[in-house]
Amino acid sequence: EPEVTQTPSHQVTQMGQEVILRCVPISNHLYFYWYRQILGQKVEFLVSFYNNEISEKSEIFDDQFSVERPDGSNFTLKIRSTKLEDSAMYFCASSRSSSGNTIYFGEGSWLTVV
Amino acid sequence: KNQVEQSPQSLIILEGKNCTLQCNYTVSPFSNLRWYKQDTGRGPVSLTIMTFSENTKSNGRYTATLDADTKQSSLHITASQLSDSASYICVVRTGTASKLTFGTGTRLQVTL
Repeated sequence: EPEVTQTPSHQVTQMGQEVILRCVPISNHLYFYWYRQILGQKVEFLVSFYNNEISEKSEIFDDQFSVERPDGSNFTLKIRSTKLEDSAMYFCASSRSSSGNTIYFGEGSWLTVV
Repeated sequence: KNQVEQSPQSLIILEGKNCTLQCNYTVSPFSNLRWYKQDTGRGPVSLTIMTFSENTKSNGRYTATLDADTKQSSLHITASQLSDSASYICVVRTGTASKLTFGTGTRLQVTL
């Protein structure tokens, strides 16, 4: 079965550094998402992306965050000037459509900011 | 504010037994409701998707119900197995938004 793949699986970074999390969505999917889950808390929506632009974003997704689809296959989340509270599992997801289809999640990138 | 509440928070059952997990939501406008299974440290995996007009949907030993009038859903697991130990998350999509609102999940532990 096709799957969403994410790299790295785990990254430790110093506070203030920039981090790029990478994702390869399922190949025929058109909608891409980033979610995050702080340890012990529920999964939270960050951003959705369609047709090479952001279609929706949450209050969490401020100027510190950006997304990009640089080459037609990768979908990246960049976090500038990381803070301790950015430590979380970041999930990439993709779907074929925006409403009724299954959204497939990757295995996550665990980010630890020290 | 869109919210999804789940109960119980955690549950321990013996292998082979059945269990039912509950979900209440206050999301408007409602588009669909999903149940996901999440193993510790892994990504969520979709179990079912239900739209407004669907009352019941099954996927193997998992059966989800939806009452759109009372804004409640349940997930019934039949003949539980040790591998069912995971968090089960109720997720609701609003009508015009592309984002999902996640519940806090029910942590299920199946024991011998």
